[in-house]
Amino acid sequence: DFQMTQSPSTLSASVGDRVTITCRASESINNWVAWYQQKPGRAPKLLIYKVSNLESGVPSRFSGSGSGTEFTLTINSLQPDDFATYYCQQYMTFGQGTKVEIK
Amino acid sequence: QLQLQESGPRLVKPSETLSLTCTVSGGSISRSDYYWAWIRQPPGKGLEFVGSIFYGGNTYHTPSLKSRVTISVDTSKNQFSLNLSSVTAADTAVYYCARRDDFSIIDFWGQGTLVTVSS
Repeated sequence: DFQMTQSPSTLSASVGDRVTITCRASESINNWVAWYQQKPGRAPKLLIYKVSNLESGVPSRFSGSGSGTEFTLTINSLQPDDFATYYCQQYMTFGQGTKVEIK
Repeated sequence: QLQLQESGPRLVKPSETLSLTCTVSGGSISRSDYYWAWIRQPPGKGLEFVGSIFYGGNTYHTPSLKSRVTISVDTSKNQFSLNLSSVTAADTAVYYCARRDDFSIIDFWGQGTLVTVSS
């Protein structure tokens, strides 16, 4: 079965830090990778689509990159509002999630 | 602004059928460029696609659930629905309805509804 493996599962960081989350696909895929942010009790929110395209209204400190089997989400200068869980997705498969928590 | 709202019973008994409806407002469900999806999230766990439907009726179901899932659409009411049969405690989850495009990018989500399977 196709899988998207995210790492790390938990990440401790401070406001102002640069953080990177990685998603590895079990086989080489096209570039239709998306990233979502989810806060407790809320629906996920689309951040990035097609690997590196920023959804309208999403701050520019979020960026995505990658190709083939490895994709990354980077948050530059982490803000208090960014502490949340992040998911990658390709077609019908989500990664397991990365919780970004306060150090 | 497009809005999606889930409705249905919050408590279902084991072996029975879970039924949810998603009402779409602020836009037509009969668009040729979008699909309408169900995604679930067990408490404390990650996201799982359940299935999706096109307004014309074409459906996709996650293979692990395929035999138990029925998704239908009612364009006259701007609604789509999920039936999941023979439920067990493992089907306890927050169920989200959502809009996705051809590449499964999900740009609009409902608020989600927690459905608990328990006797």
